[in-house]
Amino acid sequence: GIQVEQSPPDLILQEGANSTLRCNFSDSVNNLQWFHQNPWGQLINLFYIPSGTKQNGRLSATTVATERYSLLYISSSQTTDSGVYFCAVERGNNRLAFGKGNQVVVIP
Amino acid sequence: ETGVTQSPTHLIKTRGQQVTLRCSSQSGHNTVSWYQQALGQGPQFIFQYYREEENGRGNFPPRFSGLQFPNYSSELNVNALELDDSALYLCASSLGTSTEAFFGQGTRLTVV
Repeated sequence: GIQVEQSPPDLILQEGANSTLRCNFSDSVNNLQWFHQNPWGQLINLFYIPSGTKQNGRLSATTVATERYSLLYISSSQTTDSGVYFCAVERGNNRLAFGKGNQVVVIP
Repeated sequence: ETGVTQSPTHLIKTRGQQVTLRCSSQSGHNTVSWYQQALGQGPQFIFQYYREEENGRGNFPPRFSGLQFPNYSSELNVNALELDDSALYLCASSLGTSTEAFFGQGTRLTVV
């Protein structure tokens, strides 16, 4: 099956700093989503971005489908940004394949 | 518009027992997928239901089974529980089978 690799696995940020999370995938995909998992386990939708660039407040994402990677940018990080970020891809087989996640800790 | 809801939120079962987890899809969505997330891992696809039919299955044994009802809500049943079944079970709904998925808050199952 398709492989999804996220880097870095762990990141510690000072509040106010910027960061970039990366998702590499091993095959062409139909869909790509970024999620933030809150401390209670719920996956919160951040972006649905099979290609191109999108922005939502301090977060933005870019997917370059031809080169099989996606980037999630966090600007001016806040403590509420802490948590695990997941990239998930789908390649026409009706299932999302997830990476292992990026654990982000933002310290005040 | 209501989001995806799951029940119960937490559950403790004994090895060998059976469990049923429930999921109500987001309003207007006809597809429900179930995922298992072990501690420290990403979610793993169990199966998907589309218009009351199973529409894809991951690498899980037959003791994991499901159902989708005419209102598109869904159940996940697990028989003969094993200790390794302890995990967070997530339900996702979508409009169609290959579109943006929205997740519920999950059911945390502990098997002792």
